[in-house]
Amino acid sequence: SQQGEEDPQALSIQEGENATMNCSYKTSINNLQWYRQNSGRGLVHLILIRSNEREKHSGRLRVTLDTSKKSSSLLITASRAADTASYFCATALGGGNKLVFGAGTILRVKS
Amino acid sequence: DADVTQTPRNRITKTGKRIMLECSQTKGHDRMYWYRQDPGLGLRLIYYSFDVKDINKGEISDGYSVSRQAQAKFSLSLESAIPNQTALYFCATSDPGTSTDTQYFGPGTRLTVL
Repeated sequence: SQQGEEDPQALSIQEGENATMNCSYKTSINNLQWYRQNSGRGLVHLILIRSNEREKHSGRLRVTLDTSKKSSSLLITASRAADTASYFCATALGGGNKLVFGAGTILRVKS
Repeated sequence: DADVTQTPRNRITKTGKRIMLECSQTKGHDRMYWYRQDPGLGLRLIYYSFDVKDINKGEISDGYSVSRQAQAKFSLSLESAIPNQTALYFCATSDPGTSTDTQYFGPGTRLTVL
């Protein structure tokens, strides 16, 4: 079964609005990562947050992690049409293990 | 030039045919992975290799085999393709030295089995 589950499955917003996507997971993790996928293309790493961190920023991206609730959120501020893509969370269990990906959130930003 | 390349990018084949998908990387990473992506299911791990002599089954290895010919090359084979193997296939790499397991993906191969 998948470790990460994203919510919502799909999100449609207007350009300039903020987009928030959530990820829940089941077991203890070493870190949690967010990836972006443009339609039919490979995934691109966006940001990583370690288990001992609570919040991290990168440009217009803000990631939070709540290990007590086993959940993370990705906030994209001031969204642009070019942000239209699928976003996946992936959990790393540590110890040189592989990543486990969720099913993704499809984000559509309308101009 | 792309760091992780996949060939072919698109392939249409018939049931029962043998298919090989190839992945090459110039990142110098020891670890390589093969995933398939189906709509609504995210990525599922087929096989992974932590070095040239190491091959491991992933979540959905049945019907697939792999070969790690060199550090830079990792190929996925479908010995006898079936229609439910129609999917988007991705190769990825990671560097164990970073301890983060961050992965770098190829552009994908769209496979259709008729």
